Amino acid sequence: AQTVTQSQPEMSVQEAETVTLSCTYDTSESNYYLFWYKQPPSRQMILVIRQEAYKQQNATENRFSVNFQKAAKSFSLKISDSQLGDTAMYFCAFMKPTPNDMRFGAGTRLTVKP
Amino acid sequence: DTGVSQDPRHKITKRGQNVTFRCDPISEHNRLYWYRQTLGQGPEFLTYFQNEAQLEKSRLLSDRFSAERPKGSFSTLEIQRTEQGDSAMYLCASSLSYNEQFFGPGTRLTVL
Repeated sequence: AQTVTQSQPEMSVQEAETVTLSCTYDTSESNYYLFWYKQPPSRQMILVIRQEAYKQQNATENRFSVNFQKAAKSFSLKISDSQLGDTAMYFCAFMKPTPNDMRFGAGTRLTVKP
Repeated sequence: DTGVSQDPRHKITKRGQNVTFRCDPISEHNRLYWYRQTLGQGPEFLTYFQNEAQLEKSRLLSDRFSAERPKGSFSTLEIQRTEQGDSAMYLCASSLSYNEQFFGPGTRLTVL
């Protein structure tokens, strides 16, 4: 079974600084997808960034980027120039093409301080 | 169509009662998923539909739980004889491909 581990239950960062959230996963598959989702307080989950395992290049979306280390089964999220609106729970998720269910980590609560 | 919608947003029920939740996915999405999220945890997969076919069910989905997706559009999740341990946020998501699942706002269930 695939497991996703987020070892940082809580993190904080000063506004405009950079923070990195960690995620490791366990799988014997070679083809899969990795995601970071953001869940603001009392609001629905939205996708931050995704990575296909067959792509060597790390995904980037504006201030968000990942460090994908396939051999180490590591998928960290870097948030640059942190903003107050980045305050949220961040979930790392793993998905195989079949079956098409997504496995989530326990989450990291990020607080951006002014 | 602005996204995945779920109804109701909140449900309070007494132990032993039956409850039903509805999810309306993004209209062109053929995949629909149900998850359960308890406080401080990540969502846990419950079940998955491709069109009207239920293709995957988690072992978390006991016999008291049933999900349907008639005509491959909206979906319902029914919990019979609710227990206090069923209290959680029930999330629905839909997708068109493997790339991204779009989540609804969830239905928060409280069983007294």
